[in-house]
Amino acid sequence: SQTIHQWPATLVQPVGSPLSLECTVEGTSNPNLYWYRQAAGRGLQLLFYSVGIGQISSEVPQNLSASRPQDRQFILSSKKLLLSDSGFYLCAWSDGPRAQETQYFGPGTRLLVL
Amino acid sequence: SQKIEQNSEALNIQEGKTATLTCNYTNYSPAYLQWYRQDPGRGPVFLLLIRENEKEKRKERLKVTFDTTLKQSLFHITASQPADSATYLCAHSSGGYQKVTFGTGTKLQVIP
Repeated sequence: SQTIHQWPATLVQPVGSPLSLECTVEGTSNPNLYWYRQAAGRGLQLLFYSVGIGQISSEVPQNLSASRPQDRQFILSSKKLLLSDSGFYLCAWSDGPRAQETQYFGPGTRLLVL
Repeated sequence: SQKIEQNSEALNIQEGKTATLTCNYTNYSPAYLQWYRQDPGRGPVFLLLIRENEKEKRKERLKVTFDTTLKQSLFHITASQPADSATYLCAHSSGGYQKVTFGTGTKLQVIP
């Protein structure tokens, strides 16, 4: 069966510090991968998605970036965090390329920028 | 662009009753509507998907209907239980795209 991992689970970082969140998927190959952010009381905002190694599409211009160095690894980064980057970050995968309608989410990382 | 609206931010119902949640979407296109459950501090969990050519989909106590004329999906939980308390998210995709648009969710509270 497929599983998705995210770490860390919780992170407290000062403004201006760098960020690296990691997501890995097991039990599938060539998944579509997604990064979402969910602010308190808000909906899921799609940040990035990837259909393959090295292929990243950005949905929202911001100080975040994403990379996919391996088929089942997706990394969310920032060089300098802002207060507004606080939120709940979720990684998700879906089968590609056809059945991508259904997404499977990881446990999430709660980021607090102070 | 696609817009998804879940009309109720919160819904309280008595245990044993049927909960009905509403999801409206704009900009009709080949449509696939999904419903997810999200517990506090956890990632959403997929429940049901209904395609545009399907009127109804069932899974145990869950039922989803799809009305393309109204551009609306209804999500029902029959014989609701306190364990059903969670936030329920509606999401739309168009099949051929890699992204899904989510609504802001409805927080359901089932009162014993």
